[in-house]
Amino acid sequence: EAQVTQNPRYLITVTGKKLTVTCSQNMNHEYMSWYRQDPGLGLRQIYYSMNVEVTDKGDVPEGYKVSRKEKRNFPLILESPSPNQTSLYFCASSLKGGNTIYFGEGSWLTVV
Amino acid sequence: AQKITQTQPGMFVQEKEAVTLDCTYDTSDPSYGLFWYKQPSSGEMIFLIYQGSYDQQNATEGRYSLNFQKARKSANLVISASQLGDSAMYFCAMRDDYGQNFVFGPGTRLSVLP
Repeated sequence: EAQVTQNPRYLITVTGKKLTVTCSQNMNHEYMSWYRQDPGLGLRQIYYSMNVEVTDKGDVPEGYKVSRKEKRNFPLILESPSPNQTSLYFCASSLKGGNTIYFGEGSWLTVV
Repeated sequence: AQKITQTQPGMFVQEKEAVTLDCTYDTSDPSYGLFWYKQPSSGEMIFLIYQGSYDQQNATEGRYSLNFQKARKSANLVISASQLGDSAMYFCAMRDDYGQNFVFGPGTRLSVLP
């Protein structure tokens, strides 16, 4: 089954404790992206990647890191999480030039 | 740079009536794609409809149609015969062929009234 898988789905963590949200897709997509969703602000892009070893900043990259060492994986790293990073996070992937983008189920992250 | 605008933070519609959700976009690329996604309260993102910038006809998918007006740079979603299950957040998005990046609007929350 074609899918984008994110883990963890739910996490409560403390300020400053490094965490990684994994994202994996099984569709051989070139394009992958991370978004955060906050009430009233819609989906804001954090980082995206057009292919292996190619990553670019989105609109709100501060406080986040990503890597794309393999085509299927695009982890989101919060080196030192802060409460303002409490949000719903989505990973997504697409074929280059594709006519749809596939989303993971979302990861609810709370930083206390 | 690409930009998507959805000017309606919230909309109400009576069950069985049609509703139009507005979306305008900005891009300098002549070739691009436009998308609509639905997000119910459960949180998942559901693809609804796609329109390519060179498509001659407006896209339709069941009760969903996209009113594409290229000169006005608008891509409004029309939902016919609204159902209670249509109550959700709706996002308009764009990908241009130059940057290949997906950009989303802020969303419109639709509430269908019985």
